[in-house]
Amino acid sequence: DADVTQTPRNRITKTGKRIMLECSQTKGHDRMYWYRQDPGLGLRLIYYSFDVKDINKGEISDGYSVSRQAQAKFSLSLESAIPNQTALYFCATSETSTDTQYFGPGTRLTVL
Amino acid sequence: GQNIDQPTEMTATEGAIVQINCTYQTSGFNGLFWYQQHAGEAPTFLSYNVLDGLEEKGRFSSFLSRSKGYSYLLLKELQMKDSASYLCAVRDHQGGKLIFGQGTELSVKP
Repeated sequence: DADVTQTPRNRITKTGKRIMLECSQTKGHDRMYWYRQDPGLGLRLIYYSFDVKDINKGEISDGYSVSRQAQAKFSLSLESAIPNQTALYFCATSETSTDTQYFGPGTRLTVL
Repeated sequence: GQNIDQPTEMTATEGAIVQINCTYQTSGFNGLFWYQQHAGEAPTFLSYNVLDGLEEKGRFSSFLSRSKGYSYLLLKELQMKDSASYLCAVRDHQGGKLIFGQGTELSVKP
């Protein structure tokens, strides 16, 4: 079984809809991250969490919110989706000692 | 500020050696990572350097010079499956976050 899973893997939605992307991990890591990837722009950090009670904004948090429901679960929400949020979204976890990050398979989101 | 530079694209021949460079200017430094990402897939961890010098792992090696703000990833005996994007990332000096470069798209030709 995969150590980091994301659901859904693909999603097409309409402008203005609320969307939730979910991430679960079995690696036992405290640290979790949400990134988006756009062609030519690389990976950009949206939000990160170092433990269940810790939530931090990344470089592009506007229009997004997160919830850390448990050590193993970290969800990303788009309250009112817009077309420029069309992207590939990755969840990642990391070990504390080196911060080596391990990525989920990604969610491809299309906002029409 | 934070700035990480990598070439956008490189092409190499199957069986050859290729070196992918990464330069960085960051407000602090706490380690450098290389990741491999095939199209449409998740990045996968290749290497981590925190001290100067060369780290070898099979066909892949990674080098770091902290004084020059420079790293490279060396791929030997190239195979077609090595065609992918290679991401350089610097660990934030406060720990926890990684700052990614835009990636180098490597194409391996027969």
